[in-house]
Amino acid sequence: QSALTQPRSVSGSPGQSVTISCTGTSSDVGGYNYVSWYQQHPGKAPKLMIYDVSKRPSGVPDRFSGSKSGNTASLTISGLQAEDEADYYCCSYAGSYTFPFGTGTKVTVL
Amino acid sequence: QVQLQESGPGLVKPSETLSLTCAVSGYSISSGYYWGWIRQPPGKGLEWIGSIYHSGSTYYNPSLKSRVTISVDTSKNQFSLKLSSVTAADTAVYYCASGIQLRFDYWGQGTLVTVSS
Repeated sequence: QSALTQPRSVSGSPGQSVTISCTGTSSDVGGYNYVSWYQQHPGKAPKLMIYDVSKRPSGVPDRFSGSKSGNTASLTISGLQAEDEADYYCCSYAGSYTFPFGTGTKVTVL
Repeated sequence: QVQLQESGPGLVKPSETLSLTCAVSGYSISSGYYWGWIRQPPGKGLEWIGSIYHSGSTYYNPSLKSRVTISVDTSKNQFSLKLSSVTAADTAVYYCASGIQLRFDYWGQGTLVTVSS
């Protein structure tokens, strides 16, 4: 079970949009519509931001959106805010009830 | 609202077995959902360890499968992790988590386990 590939870091100015990619294979990201995204601030537990590729849990701002094309899923943060600075991880169902995570992306608000 | 709280030793000796428990409140563990463990070595990313379903079925990360056991104690409304033959590479913050369907909706605060003699 290999980790999904994410860029190490992305950055943007307040108000801008940033997109984080999450690349897997046809056995995980490409094979199921069960990609989730987690936000993690330093020293804190991860928080679910997106599930089932593009659905938002209650309470998550609508400036967070998700999508998928082929073996790559994406998380877009529109209207970037200072509190969005954090690490972000994708996770995909990979069959047999296994869940590889992505390598993680640090989002910096300039 | 499901709440999770990890507990267990913060220091384990090499070659011994790491044992952690996750206490569940706000939901009966036997009613549904699935329950899992995820770890994060210092300064590194998240790694799924394994999950157990309310049916009792267990699923493990293939890279850890030979050393991992996850079990549920419905009488105490908690579930547990055992990781045998630990080495320094198993030093990490260990999180318990639960999900409704193929995602992790709720997380514990995490507990740091250091493997050292």
